[in-house]
Amino acid sequence: AQTVTQSQPEMSVQEAETVTLSCTYDTSENNYYLFWYKQPPSRQMILVIRQEAYKQQNATENRFSVNFQKAAKSFSLKISDSQLGDTAMYFCAFIFNAGGTSYGKLTFGQGTILTVHP
Amino acid sequence: GAGVSQTPSNKVTEKGKYVELRCDPISGHTALYWYRQSLGQGPEFLIYFQGTGAADDSGLPNDRFFAVRPEGSVSTLKIQRTERGDSAVYLCASSLENTGELFFGEGSRLTVL
Repeated sequence: AQTVTQSQPEMSVQEAETVTLSCTYDTSENNYYLFWYKQPPSRQMILVIRQEAYKQQNATENRFSVNFQKAAKSFSLKISDSQLGDTAMYFCAFIFNAGGTSYGKLTFGQGTILTVHP
Repeated sequence: GAGVSQTPSNKVTEKGKYVELRCDPISGHTALYWYRQSLGQGPEFLIYFQGTGAADDSGLPNDRFFAVRPEGSVSTLKIQRTERGDSAVYLCASSLENTGELFFGEGSRLTVL
């Protein structure tokens, strides 16, 4: 079974600063995807960034980037130039790819509450 | 609309009652997922449909919970004899089968008194 661990229940950052959210996972699989989702108070889960395990290059999406360390099973999210709208709960998530279009379930971590202060 | 739609947004019921929660996925998405999220926690997997069939229902906590997707589109999560511990936000998500990327609805908040 796969597990996802987020060891930081809460984080805070000043507007325009950089913050890094940590995530580790445990799996025996080799073909999988990792995601960071953002959940603002409105409840809707929004995809922030995704990383394919077979890619060595770290994914980036505007102000969001990841540090993917496959051997260490670590997947951290870096938010640059933090904005007030980044305030939300952030979840790290894992999904196994059994091959082709066959996927397992998306497994989430416990979440990290990020507060951006003006 | 273009997104995943869930109804009702909020549901308050009494202990022992029967509840149905509905999910309308993004058109063309073959995979549909149900998750349960308690306050301050990560979503907990319940069940996953590929088309009309349940590909993985290992997350359903007991036989009071049941979900259907008869035509491979809309899904209904059914909870019998509700208990106070069932109170949570129930999230639905859908995906194209070849991406693994899930699109979530806003959830249905269930409160059992």
